[in-house]
Amino acid sequence: NAGVTQTPKFQVLKTGQSMTLQCAQDMNHNSMYWYRQDPGMGLRLIYYSASEGTTDKGEVPNGYNVSRLNKREFSLRLESAAPSQTSVYFCASSEVEGSQPQHFGDGTRLSIL
Amino acid sequence: EDKVVQSPLSLVVHEGDTVTLNCSYEVTNFRSLLWYKQEKKAPTFLFMLTSSGIKKKSGRLSSILDKKELFSILNITATQTGDSAIYLCVRGGGFKTIFGAGTRLFVKA
Repeated sequence: NAGVTQTPKFQVLKTGQSMTLQCAQDMNHNSMYWYRQDPGMGLRLIYYSASEGTTDKGEVPNGYNVSRLNKREFSLRLESAAPSQTSVYFCASSEVEGSQPQHFGDGTRLSIL
Repeated sequence: EDKVVQSPLSLVVHEGDTVTLNCSYEVTNFRSLLWYKQEKKAPTFLFMLTSSGIKKKSGRLSSILDKKELFSILNITATQTGDSAIYLCVRGGGFKTIFGAGTRLFVKA
């Protein structure tokens, strides 16, 4: 019963480096989401995928790209990391397409120096 | 403006106390209001409220929604140290879901 699995759990990058955050869910959910959580702010949606084969921008997409590789996997890529992207990133999923997220991964804590 | 405001931002209580967490929102057209508990890692779902005046209850936790006054409250009775967490109020709306910043609750033994 893994639910939503994110890797890595922690990462430190230098400004300008690139990296991909991985997310996989084993619940056969249709929709998947990437959020970032910053101190004093609620989770903000970066990108989402309503269903396999589709992706759309959320509230704060700049500086990120995503890939819905298959129904299970939804990755988030930072092409050229910036200190403003230091945050905790959560992947989430929901069974019903377009509904609010039900299950969250444990998060990736990303620091950019 | 479409936002969710939670109060207080943080709260320290003693075991056995009762706490009330507040959530107000500014958009009337939405499907549901949700509460999550976030301990060290992933938020976990507590309640989903869709109708005014109907109290949802799970053990020592309960929540109610007032769609007319645009707020919700989460009550925790007989608090325990395990209740220490950030409580997130969320205005549901599929891909337009809006999260509040959360109330950080610390329960002292």
